[in-house]
Amino acid sequence: GENVEQHPSTLSVQEGDSAVIKCTYSDSASNYFPWYKQELGKGPQLIIDIRSNVGEKKDQRIAVTLNKTAKHFSLHITETQPEDSAVYFCAAWGNTNAGKSTFGDGTTLTVKP
Amino acid sequence: DAMVIQNPRYQVTQFGKPVTLSCSQTLNHNVMYWYQQKSSQAPKLLFHYYDKDFNNEADTPDNFQSRRPNTSFCFLDIRSPGLGDAAMYLCATGYSGSLQETQYFGPGTRLLVL
Repeated sequence: GENVEQHPSTLSVQEGDSAVIKCTYSDSASNYFPWYKQELGKGPQLIIDIRSNVGEKKDQRIAVTLNKTAKHFSLHITETQPEDSAVYFCAAWGNTNAGKSTFGDGTTLTVKP
Repeated sequence: DAMVIQNPRYQVTQFGKPVTLSCSQTLNHNVMYWYQQKSSQAPKLLFHYYDKDFNNEADTPDNFQSRRPNTSFCFLDIRSPGLGDAAMYLCATGYSGSLQETQYFGPGTRLLVL
């Protein structure tokens, strides 16, 4: 089955700096890669996603890049703000997963004011 | 707004006393999922419904069961909760067959077992 590794497990940055979280996946058939933000006491919320036919996608301060050959994808947050502090999960989804996604272990991002 | 609703948000039960968590959705999605999430861990899929078809994960204990009486509602039944079942339980929906298999999560139900 699919295996997703996420790094780092914790990340602390100064407000205004950039943050990068990386994930690798094992199943080359995976074709959809969402990123979720989970705030304390809440469910995960989709913040950005990318499909395997695209190399990069951007939405304001958030961007995701995908390298299919190397089987890794990354979340980039620029101009970080304290409200970006949360746990971020990557996931990989493919037809071989029979309609379900495999999550990374999460990254706790802390943005210091 | 269309959304995924979970009730209750907090549930306290006694060791061994059956408990039911509920989830409803207004998105008309054909897939509904139940996840268990323990502190500082990724959500762990317990099972999911594809329309009326139930799909159990191989490592989901028999203690956990689910019902989906209609498209909008899905229930998680824990027959005999143990201390190890204390966790956040997340319901999610998805529309399989669309271009994007986006999952929409509810706010979760935090279960405490005394």
